[in-house]
Amino acid sequence: EPEVTQTPSHQVTQMGQEVILRCVPISNHLYFYWYRQILGQKVEFLVSFYNNEISEKSEIFDDQFSVERPDGSNFTLKIRSTKLEDSAMYFCASGPGGVNEQYFGPGTRLTVT
Amino acid sequence: ELKVEQNPLFLSMQEGKNYTIYCNYSTTSDRLYWYRQDPGKSLESLFVLLSNGAVKQEGRLMASLDTKARLSTLHITAAVHDLSATYFCAVDIDNDMRFGAGTRLTVKP
Repeated sequence: EPEVTQTPSHQVTQMGQEVILRCVPISNHLYFYWYRQILGQKVEFLVSFYNNEISEKSEIFDDQFSVERPDGSNFTLKIRSTKLEDSAMYFCASGPGGVNEQYFGPGTRLTVT
Repeated sequence: ELKVEQNPLFLSMQEGKNYTIYCNYSTTSDRLYWYRQDPGKSLESLFVLLSNGAVKQEGRLMASLDTKARLSTLHITAAVHDLSATYFCAVDIDNDMRFGAGTRLTVKP
């Protein structure tokens, strides 16, 4: 069964450094999403992406965040200058769109020291 | 701003008992989703509810949606230990998915 994959599974970085989190969505899906979950807390929407552009973003998704679909398969989240409070699990999701559910990847645990 | 509230946040149940988790949301939507998350794992889709009065059942779980009351319920029947997890409801408004805080369910023998 097709699934969303994410790399790396765990990323440790120093404050102020740039990180890129990678995702490979399910191949025939058209909508892509990033969420984050601070340990033990709820899942927070960051951004949705469709047709090579951002369709919605939350208040969390400020100028230090960017997303890109550099080729036909990858979907990336870049954090330009990481802060301690960016430490969280980042989930990528994809979906066919419309009313269908989203399928979540296994997540990347980002630790900022 | 869309707000999604779940209660209870923590639920400890005995095996064999029934209980209901509630999900209230603040803005009109007819797209509500329930997900399950095991500790340290990703989110697994349980139910997609798309219309007023929708009811879906899978095993010991049953979900319903009342769009007029802006309320969804997840009912657990005769709980078993394997149901221990965190359950999230989520509401979709134009591709902006907002999650509730989650209900951490523990089922004790």
